[in-house]
Amino acid sequence: NAGVTQTPKFQVLKTGQSMTLQCAQDMNHEYMSWYRQDPGMGLRLIHYSVGAGITDQGEVPNGYNVSRSTTEDFPLRLLSAAPSQTSVYFCASSRARGGNTEAFFGQGTRLTVV
Amino acid sequence: AQSVAQPEDQVNVAEGNPLTVKCTYSVSGNPYLFWYVQYPNRGLQFLLKYITGDNLVKGSYGFEAEFNKSQTSFHLKKPSALVSDSALYFCAVRGLPHAGTASKLTFGTGTRLQVTL
Repeated sequence: NAGVTQTPKFQVLKTGQSMTLQCAQDMNHEYMSWYRQDPGMGLRLIHYSVGAGITDQGEVPNGYNVSRSTTEDFPLRLLSAAPSQTSVYFCASSRARGGNTEAFFGQGTRLTVV
Repeated sequence: AQSVAQPEDQVNVAEGNPLTVKCTYSVSGNPYLFWYVQYPNRGLQFLLKYITGDNLVKGSYGFEAEFNKSQTSFHLKKPSALVSDSALYFCAVRGLPHAGTASKLTFGTGTRLQVTL
């Protein structure tokens, strides 16, 4: 199994550009989420989804959109990139929304906005 | 709102010595607690979890963690540290979901473990 796959691994954007970070999982997990990791701040939840067609906001959703059309895919869209969105982004999935299962993480996307 | 505190930015340990990485949490009701490890330029890897039952939980690579409900703590421990244990460690908590919502995973800010010869 590939687990959680994120693409691209690295990306440089100019301010105002848009892009989509891709996330796919092959474990048939209901729950998927996006985090950003910044030095000294740990991981902060951006958006999450409990199943196809259902998404909700996390802690830091501004500037990001998500959709969940299939169980496998959960793309994160930056509509107009800003330097404050320079970060490492992680996608994660887990088996159930009940909370007692561990999350599996992708390898991350390092995004720089100039 | 649920939260996790990792009070130490960095922990330094000599190889062969025991190590402890501290974590305290705040959540409504009974917690689900997790430890993850991150090696440089990698994603997070699951180490261990506490769901219910025995307060001492054993995980991967010889790590264990002790759940203490009265102190709301979940410290990560290892009896004998290795240089290869050097990494960034994250504690995380999930509470029980309310009806119609999902149970979100909240992370601490991370503790860098440095093990030296």
